[in-house]
Amino acid sequence: DVKVTQSSRYLVKRTGEKVFLECVQDMDHENMFWYRQDPGLGLRLIYFSYDVKMKEKGDIPEGYSVSREKKERFSLILESASTNQTSMYLCASSSLSRGQYFGPGTRLLVL
Amino acid sequence: DQQVKQNSPSLSVQEGRISILNCDYTNSMFDYFLWYKKYPAEGPTFLISISSIKDKNEDGRFTVFLNKSAKHLSLHIVPSQPGDSAVYFCAATLSGGTSYGKLTFGQGTILTVHP
Repeated sequence: DVKVTQSSRYLVKRTGEKVFLECVQDMDHENMFWYRQDPGLGLRLIYFSYDVKMKEKGDIPEGYSVSREKKERFSLILESASTNQTSMYLCASSSLSRGQYFGPGTRLLVL
Repeated sequence: DQQVKQNSPSLSVQEGRISILNCDYTNSMFDYFLWYKKYPAEGPTFLISISSIKDKNEDGRFTVFLNKSAKHLSLHIVPSQPGDSAVYFCAATLSGGTSYGKLTFGQGTILTVHP
């Protein structure tokens, strides 16, 4: 049974803080993804990684960076948090060309 | 540019009746389509999928229909149950290694099934 875990379920940060969101998967998947979910906008891809140390920008990468030093771990970094980054952040992984497994999400509030 | 659209933000149906959720896409290169279900405070979970070589796929109470010429797909839930109340996301992707499994999602439709 695939498991994708995210380091925090809820997070409150202040504007300008550096924020780290971590995601770990236990199925040896090559591909990992970070999305944000906002009402009326669905899930929007921020970044994805198809191998260790390999990353590509998604649709909304501005204000974010990522790190993938190990296959099972994919981190999302908000370099300087802003209020418009308040959102639900979802991590996913997959090993196939179709279908993804999602973590439970991190609800981030930036004050 | 929203390549996958779910034009109905919400849908309300009575328990036991059919729920029909719709999804349109603009990119004719998409060849695989998925539906995900999401409860509050949880991540989305895979529900059902369909390849572009098919026009229908059924799994229990859930059936997905694909109309390639209209670039339209729909999810039918029969009979609807209160536990089906959730947000439903349509997603599309391109097969093949260079897509890396990237999915393009619609905005989601909130389904409420009343007892």
